[in-house]
Amino acid sequence: GESVGLHLPTLSVQEGDNSIINCAYSNSASDYFIWYKQESGKGPQFIIDIRSNMDKRQGQRVTVLLNKTVKHLSLQIAATQPGDSAVYFCAENRGSSNTGKLIFGQGTTLQVKP
Amino acid sequence: KAGVTQTPRYLIKTRGQQVTLSCSPISGHRSVSWYQQTPGQGLQFLFEYFSETQRNKGNFPGRFSGRQFSNSRSEMNVSTLELGDSALYLCASSLYSGTNEKLFFGSGTQLSVL
Repeated sequence: GESVGLHLPTLSVQEGDNSIINCAYSNSASDYFIWYKQESGKGPQFIIDIRSNMDKRQGQRVTVLLNKTVKHLSLQIAATQPGDSAVYFCAENRGSSNTGKLIFGQGTTLQVKP
Repeated sequence: KAGVTQTPRYLIKTRGQQVTLSCSPISGHRSVSWYQQTPGQGLQFLFEYFSETQRNKGNFPGRFSGRQFSNSRSEMNVSTLELGDSALYLCASSLYSGTNEKLFFGSGTQLSVL
């Protein structure tokens, strides 16, 4: 079946620490992955994406790592801030060559302690 | 550039009624996708439209339907509402339809079925 799983439903970190959110996917044919952040009352907000021909991609304070061997994806947030508190979703795009269809994980709630 | 706009923001209906939700994509975006978000099932793909044609469909009953207009705006309709249809309905747009397209989400329509 279709599934994208996250290892932990909730992650609590101290402000200023680094956060690592993990995600496992099941379809080895998936070639595009996205991380989204969802704050209360809002829709998912794009954070960073990565294609399967890459192992690592960096953005502002965020890094995504992709391990295709074990079908694992992670999001690293440097110097976590209170504004980073939200639910984080990984998603894989499993459409055919001319359609898009995102399969989402269940989400990890990141709590940042002051 | 304005983001994805969804109307209405909140909606309360009773069982058996029907509902129409509206989505205006980011200007220039031609693909619109719809997702249902519930606490139990997470984010699930409903359907995707590109150039007024349905490109992909998720595993939802025929009561869920949609369409896209020539200006890329989209509507989704749910007929004969059931209590289990209570959810946040999210619309996302992208430039084109494809496996590597970045999706941008609106804030959603919160539907409550009583």
